[in-house]
Amino acid sequence: GIQVEQSPPDLILQEGANSTLRCNFSDSVNNLQWFHQNPWGQLINLFYIPSGTKQNGRLSATTVATERYSLLYISSSQTTDSGVYFCAVSSMDSNYQLIWGAGTKLIIKP
Amino acid sequence: DGGITQSPKYLFRKEGQNVTLSCEQNLNHDAMYWYRQDPGQGLRLIYYSQIVNDFQKGDIAEGYSVSREKKESFPLTVTSAQKNPTAFYLCASTTRTGANYGYTFGSGTRLTVV
Repeated sequence: GIQVEQSPPDLILQEGANSTLRCNFSDSVNNLQWFHQNPWGQLINLFYIPSGTKQNGRLSATTVATERYSLLYISSSQTTDSGVYFCAVSSMDSNYQLIWGAGTKLIIKP
Repeated sequence: DGGITQSPKYLFRKEGQNVTLSCEQNLNHDAMYWYRQDPGQGLRLIYYSQIVNDFQKGDIAEGYSVSREKKESFPLTVTSAQKNPTAFYLCASTTRTGANYGYTFGSGTRLTVV
């Protein structure tokens, strides 16, 4: 089945710094999503981005489907950005159900 | 406000005991999902349901059971056959099945075996 690898596994930054999180996937996908899980466990959708580039405020994402990777950019980090960022993909092989990476744990220090 | 309610937030299970986790949504979503999350790992799909009275096994269904008698409700039972049930359990829903559509998650239930 599809493998999803995220890097780095952990990232510690000072408030105001920029960061880039990477998601590699092993096969063609029809869907790629980025999620944020806050320190209390709540998960929210950030982007649905099977290809191309999207931006939402200080966050943006780019997926290069032909090279099987996606990048999540966080600019001017705030302490509220702390948590775990997950990449999840799906394809016909997964019966269109999401396959999740292990996440990148981000800590923003004040 | 529309959303997903999971209860309880914390649950303790004794060896050999079955427990049921509740998941209720008022979003009028057709599809509902149960995921398991272990420390330092991504989510793994236990069961999902696309319509009432129908559900499918996910990647780790052994030791779990579900029902979908109402559109709003998708309870998960962790049976005594699940040998390592300690984990964080998340319920989610989407407008309809197919992961192209935005997911809404509940706040989760932390299950611990004592």
